[in-house]
Amino acid sequence: KAGVTQTPRYLIKTRGQQVTLSCSPISGHRSVSWYQQTPGQGLQFLFEYFSETQRNKGNFPGRFSGRQFSNSRSEMNVSTLELGDSALYLCASSPSGVTFHEQYFGPGTRLTVT
Amino acid sequence: QKEVEQDPGPLSVPEGAIVSLNCTYSNSAFQYFMWYRQYSRKGPELLMYTYSSGNKEDGRFTAQVDKSSKYISLFIRDSQPSDSATYLCAYEKTSYDKVIFGPGTSLSVIP
Repeated sequence: KAGVTQTPRYLIKTRGQQVTLSCSPISGHRSVSWYQQTPGQGLQFLFEYFSETQRNKGNFPGRFSGRQFSNSRSEMNVSTLELGDSALYLCASSPSGVTFHEQYFGPGTRLTVT
Repeated sequence: QKEVEQDPGPLSVPEGAIVSLNCTYSNSAFQYFMWYRQYSRKGPELLMYTYSSGNKEDGRFTAQVDKSSKYISLFIRDSQPSDSATYLCAYEKTSYDKVIFGPGTSLSVIP
């Protein structure tokens, strides 16, 4: 079975721009979560989607948003980029009925904001 | 007090050693306890998860949970250079609720 895939793998953006990241979960997984990982703050939960609905949300500003499509693929959008948004953005998928304790992560998208 | 604390290391051991990695937590509502391994420039990989106190073994890896002390451990037997990575502990409060990751411990296994 193919793992979680994320595109693009690397991205460089300028302050004030917006960015969209994409995630394809493992086939059959309907829960998709997004995380931000930085050296200073570690791995922090952004939000989780299940069946096209946001089910959980972390403590991030409204500039961070996401959505999930009917095929379970998910996108994450960050508007008005700030230097502090530079991070590794990770997507994880879970089997139906399970959320956080059995997650499979993708390789991440490395976002650099200049 | 932070919800999850984990010694960041780095921890350096010789090949074949037994490695002990530890985390403490403050929220007694946590029910699931997970360990992830993350290689450089890769996403975290789930090693195992446990529910409630006790031990769980998978090959060379053993996870131990002591809910009374709010303390979890991961033991790696016969450590290999390929075990060199950052190990993250994580907690889930209840399903569909909240997950918290520790900052990670960097481990180097020297041949």
